[in-house]
Amino acid sequence: GAVVSQHPSRVICKSGTSVKIECRSLDFQATTMFWYRQFPKQSLMLMATSNEGSKATYEQGVEKDKFLINHASLTLSTLTVTSAHPEDSSFYICSARSLGGYQETQYFGPGTRLLVL
Amino acid sequence: GDSVTQMEGPVTLSEEAFLTINCTYTATGYPSLFWYVQYPGEGLQLLLKATKADDKGSNKGFEATYRKETTSFHLEKGSVQASDSAVYFCALRNAGNMLTFGGGTRLMVKP
Repeated sequence: GAVVSQHPSRVICKSGTSVKIECRSLDFQATTMFWYRQFPKQSLMLMATSNEGSKATYEQGVEKDKFLINHASLTLSTLTVTSAHPEDSSFYICSARSLGGYQETQYFGPGTRLLVL
Repeated sequence: GDSVTQMEGPVTLSEEAFLTINCTYTATGYPSLFWYVQYPGEGLQLLLKATKADDKGSNKGFEATYRKETTSFHLEKGSVQASDSAVYFCALRNAGNMLTFGGGTRLMVKP
């Protein structure tokens, strides 16, 4: 099946620094990419939806200036956590949907665990 | 809003045991229902789905029936194997084509 990769898989950073997470669709073109956040023992919460070449649509309560999303190509989206703080520590999962696909053709990356000290 | 509730894990079973992971949902309209599985170090993969009431989704020995009257979509397997150890997510898709996930249930199967 289709593969979505994320890099890095794990990152530890100091408070106040910025962290960039990459999400790539390896064998298909992703017109839409999704970024989720998952706290321990909780649901995946959708943070934002991005379409290639346009600005991301953020869910209510998600700070767009803190979580910068760039979807510059059909195979790459990046999430930058700016001025990270300990409360940003979480598991971030990206997902990619192929052209014309419904939700069942939404492929997920393995996730990135962020720890902010 | 839409929500999905599934039993907390971990669920620990021996091989060949019967598995049930409960999932209930709250949604307006008629959502589609899904089970996703996440094996260690990998992304979520679609395991099975059902799109309308009384539909049964099945795959790899797993099955789940869309029960509208109880708003449930419980995952079952008659005989689990060690290779089934993973985290299982129940999810629904609403009319807006967006997924809402449950919290996930970790299954550990001991050989």
